[in-house]
Amino acid sequence: DQQVKQNSPSLSVQEGRISILNCDYTNSMFDYFLWYKKYPAEGPTFLISISSIKDKNEDGRFTVFLNKSAKHLSLHIVPSQPGDSAVYFCAASDNYGQNFVFGPGTRLSVLP
Amino acid sequence: GAGVSQSPRYKVAKRGQDVALRCDPISGHVSLFWYQQALGQGPEFLTYFQNEAQLDKSGLPSDRFFAERPEGSVSTLKIQRTQQEDSAVYLCASSRELGSTEAFFGQGTRLTVV
Repeated sequence: DQQVKQNSPSLSVQEGRISILNCDYTNSMFDYFLWYKKYPAEGPTFLISISSIKDKNEDGRFTVFLNKSAKHLSLHIVPSQPGDSAVYFCAASDNYGQNFVFGPGTRLSVLP
Repeated sequence: GAGVSQSPRYKVAKRGQDVALRCDPISGHVSLFWYQQALGQGPEFLTYFQNEAQLDKSGLPSDRFFAERPEGSVSTLKIQRTQQEDSAVYLCASSRELGSTEAFFGQGTRLTVV
């Protein structure tokens, strides 16, 4: 049973528009959430995180929103750039960073 | 080096062969993680070290999998009597301290068992 779900395997967006990547989780004990970006043949790279005490965290073009009651988080990228094309993983932890559970990933393609 | 380094990058093993995968974490990082990533899926947690202590090995799929970090720096993931279902990318990550929420990943070792 997947504890972290990313129901869209892929997403295509036009350059300059907003990309919205979604993530749902089932474990109410999760208290920290991260987004990682992965290019082919490279390891995942940390992008942005959010603690369960917040509902929004912003870093430049990237914003993560957390809806605890719905057990849902989303990553917004605006404006999207071709270099953002990658696989994005949502990850969650219930003990502050000791063990992360990853979702299956969403492949984002930003079209020029 | 500045990042997490894993070797080899690629490994082809015959079924039944033992393999050893190496991870050099970022210098000074206390926490070290191993993950297994099957094709088209997200990384799955295998085991976690704080310095030389293996605090969690709940993700190791069988007793054929063994990890060590004897001096609290370099770590080795060993898989004995490899089977085809062990084929995956094995990712190592390190973080500065316990409870640090940003882990830095290596490029991974792609293991193919034939």
